[in-house]
Amino acid sequence: KNQVEQSPQSLIILEGKNCTLQCNYTVSPFSNLRWYKQDTGRGPVSLTIMTFSENTKSNGRYTATLDADTKQSSLHITASQLSDSASYICVVSALTGGYNKLIFGAGTRLAVHP
Amino acid sequence: GAGVSQSPSNKVTEKGKDVELRCDPISGHTALYWYRQSLGQGLEFLIYFQGNSAPDKSGLPSDRFSAERTGGSVSTLTIQRTQQEDSAVYLCASSQGGFPADTIYFGEGSWLTVV
Repeated sequence: KNQVEQSPQSLIILEGKNCTLQCNYTVSPFSNLRWYKQDTGRGPVSLTIMTFSENTKSNGRYTATLDADTKQSSLHITASQLSDSASYICVVSALTGGYNKLIFGAGTRLAVHP
Repeated sequence: GAGVSQSPSNKVTEKGKDVELRCDPISGHTALYWYRQSLGQGLEFLIYFQGNSAPDKSGLPSDRFSAERTGGSVSTLTIQRTQQEDSAVYLCASSQGGFPADTIYFGEGSWLTVV
């Protein structure tokens, strides 16, 4: 069964600190892995997309890693800001029927406190 | 348009009524997705449209749910005889060509409450 599991479920950090969010998946056939940021009451916004051959990708203070052998990904946030408070969703694409069938993790709720 | 547009943004309806939710994808995007997000839960796939191909309806939870996409652009998700468990955010997303590494852009969602 295709599954995406994220940890921790929630996290509180102080402004300026770094944090790392984890994603483990069992998805086949694997196409790519995406990280999205979802502010409360808003739609998800894409942060990174990584294909099988990529093992790291950065977007500003966000750096995602992918280990396709162990089927793990992480999202590292550097020098956190209050505006980073949101849910971070790991999404794995299974290439099924010629298109991306997205399998969503439940997300990690991050709260950045001053 | 500049982004994926959904309407209404909020809808409160009585149990048993029908509702229609609308999605305007980004202009030129041929791939369109509908997802549902219940409170505190992850997103659940509902349906996928790609150009003129037959849609993938495998995620629709019951025959009360249907969706269509007219002219390869605007899509409408219809829920008939709504039930309280249908209360959720319904998110629409689109991408340029449905290619594996396309960025998928989400709308802000339609918040449905069934009372």
